[in-house]
Amino acid sequence: DGGITQSPKYLFRKEGQNVTLSCEQNLNHDAMYWYRQDPGQGLRLIYYSQIVNDFQKGDIAEGYSVSREKKESFPLTVTSAQKNPTAFYLCASSIDFNSPLHFGNGTRLTVT
Amino acid sequence: GENVEQHPSTLSVQEGDSAVIKCTYSDSASNYFPWYKQELGKRPQLIIDIRSNVGEKKDQRIAVTLNKTAKHFSLHITETQPEDSAVYFCAASNSNDYKLSFGAGTTVTVRA
Repeated sequence: DGGITQSPKYLFRKEGQNVTLSCEQNLNHDAMYWYRQDPGQGLRLIYYSQIVNDFQKGDIAEGYSVSREKKESFPLTVTSAQKNPTAFYLCASSIDFNSPLHFGNGTRLTVT
Repeated sequence: GENVEQHPSTLSVQEGDSAVIKCTYSDSASNYFPWYKQELGKRPQLIIDIRSNVGEKKDQRIAVTLNKTAKHFSLHITETQPEDSAVYFCAASNSNDYKLSFGAGTTVTVRA
């Protein structure tokens, strides 16, 4: 659906556990992004990547990690160091930077 | 880093009237300004974008204007319809670090 797939749609974890969110795209896009969406705060950038094996921190990278081993995949790990991990996470891709983003359907993570 | 402020946070308009959302940005190097629409329970989707070498852009009932001197850009929706009800996000990025920063969003409600 739309060429960018996030899984799972809902994810529940206990506090103190690391959890990895999946993001796969078949659009042949170079750039990929992870955003966190909280009510009233818009979309905040966690990490972004322009090419394989390269990624940069966004505005709220603390407590998160990513990898970009393949062009199609950009998984996000929410570590136990993230103080408030419960949120809606959106992955996106674009042909290159400063081009329209194509978003996935998101993963809603709940940590208790 | 870039700071994007968006106003108003909520907007209620009568069907057929116009809606205007304004965003300001802080980084004078910003050169790409997209607008996204997010309907309830769905992913954000690009509705229009503008680059810094253009002052205005139109697409049917939607238009965006850019004032580089004042560092603000606005979304104009004319002849609003119930399907225009959604959350709208503005964003800005530049060619130095390519971080796409979003505003906090405007919830638009079109009253029938």
